[in-house]
Amino acid sequence: TQLLEQSPQFLSIQEGENLTVYCNSSSVFSSLQWYRQEPGEGPVLLVTVVTGGEVKKLKRLTFQFGDARKDSSLHITAAQPGDTGLYLCAGASPRGSTLGRLYFGRGTQLTVWP
Amino acid sequence: ETGVTQSPTHLIKTRGQQVTLRCSSQSGHNTVSWYQQALGQGPQFIFQYYREEENGRGNFPPRFSGLQFPNYSSELNVNALELDDSALYLCAIRTSGSTDTQYFGPGTRLTVL
Repeated sequence: TQLLEQSPQFLSIQEGENLTVYCNSSSVFSSLQWYRQEPGEGPVLLVTVVTGGEVKKLKRLTFQFGDARKDSSLHITAAQPGDTGLYLCAGASPRGSTLGRLYFGRGTQLTVWP
Repeated sequence: ETGVTQSPTHLIKTRGQQVTLRCSSQSGHNTVSWYQQALGQGPQFIFQYYREEENGRGNFPPRFSGLQFPNYSSELNVNALELDDSALYLCAIRTSGSTDTQYFGPGTRLTVL
């Protein structure tokens, strides 16, 4: 079983639409990170959220960490074809785990059509 | 740019063989982790090295082993390769004082035939 559940698994939308990706767990994390990954490449860090309730914005991307530090969401406004990729959430250091160890969700494959 | 490099980029091996993957970083760090990413899955934690010692391991058998060197470069060794070992292998560095943030290299694609 996955410690982090991501949804949806696949998302196919038209350019200009808005979307939200969810990352849920029953575990509490010290921080949560979002990555974007292109085929055959390593994940590229988008943001780290640390404080419960924290909201961070990166241009058209808005990230939120749940109040209890168990879940997170990524919202993209006016999606563009360049946003296409695999979006991964990763929770760090849940209680009892190795400090710094990341637990990843399975990812959301986003495709934005022109 | 993370400054994390991995070699080789691609590798093809046969069952039973052994493989060594390498990771290095331009920036100073003292923690390096290795992850395995199977096709269609998120990365899975293999192990972590801190100051040249393993200080955490995921659900991987002992035939997966590693080293971290004084210059902070690292190796992942896999013995007795199996077909299911085919995956993208990622190393990640965590800089001192960071909030668990890890920066990944481009990965090594291993195919076991």
